[in-house]
Amino acid sequence: QVQLVESGGGVVQPGGSLRLSCAASEFTFSDYGMHWVRQAPGKGLEWVAFIRFDGSNMYYPDSVKGRFTISRDNSKNMLYLQMNSLRTEDTAVYYCAKDSTYCSTSDCYANWYLDFWGRGTLVTVSS
Amino acid sequence: EIVLTQSPATLSLSPGERATLSCRASQSISSYLAWYQQKPGQAPRLLIYGASNRATGFPARFRGSGSGTDFTLTISSLEPEDCAVYYCQQRTDGLTFGGGTKVEMK
Repeated sequence: QVQLVESGGGVVQPGGSLRLSCAASEFTFSDYGMHWVRQAPGKGLEWVAFIRFDGSNMYYPDSVKGRFTISRDNSKNMLYLQMNSLRTEDTAVYYCAKDSTYCSTSDCYANWYLDFWGRGTLVTVSS
Repeated sequence: EIVLTQSPATLSLSPGERATLSCRASQSISSYLAWYQQKPGQAPRLLIYGASNRATGFPARFRGSGSGTDFTLTISSLEPEDCAVYYCQQRTDGLTFGGGTKVEMK
């Protein structure tokens, strides 16, 4: 069964930085695109970032563009989210999620549906 | 940005009743819509993708339908374990979620 385990959350002051990690196992990590999604306390879901299976392209919504950076290390089956210039509104549980990527013989194509999720890590931005 | 509007915000039903959840997109998204189920204290789970394809592990009482701008998630006969918040998600223009519908037992 797919396993995704997030870590690195905690309390940080506004303007600070934090790096989240997601350890993946029980699937071929290097074949799949990966996402970060967040959920503020008592609120809905917000997509934060996506990275292609090979790390060649990354995508972000305007709310985090220029502040957050998604990356991956396929040799270690690890996904990361570097968060800089944090704001109080970034307070949320951050989930990593696997994309339901489809691979042909020549390339892999993201479906942008999130078929497995980790349990999340809480980030609190507060002074 | 494509906005997804879910209604109602809360649905209170008795066991065995039919639940009908709506998701409306601000512009056409063809069939590029998913539904997720999130129970309290848990991560979301993919329930429906491509508007009408049921994900592994969910029973046949869950059915997704629609295309273009109007989509529906139907639970044909509500079970207590179906109490959760349900989110729709589009992938046509970036990735956005609706605000969610909470299904609770009356």
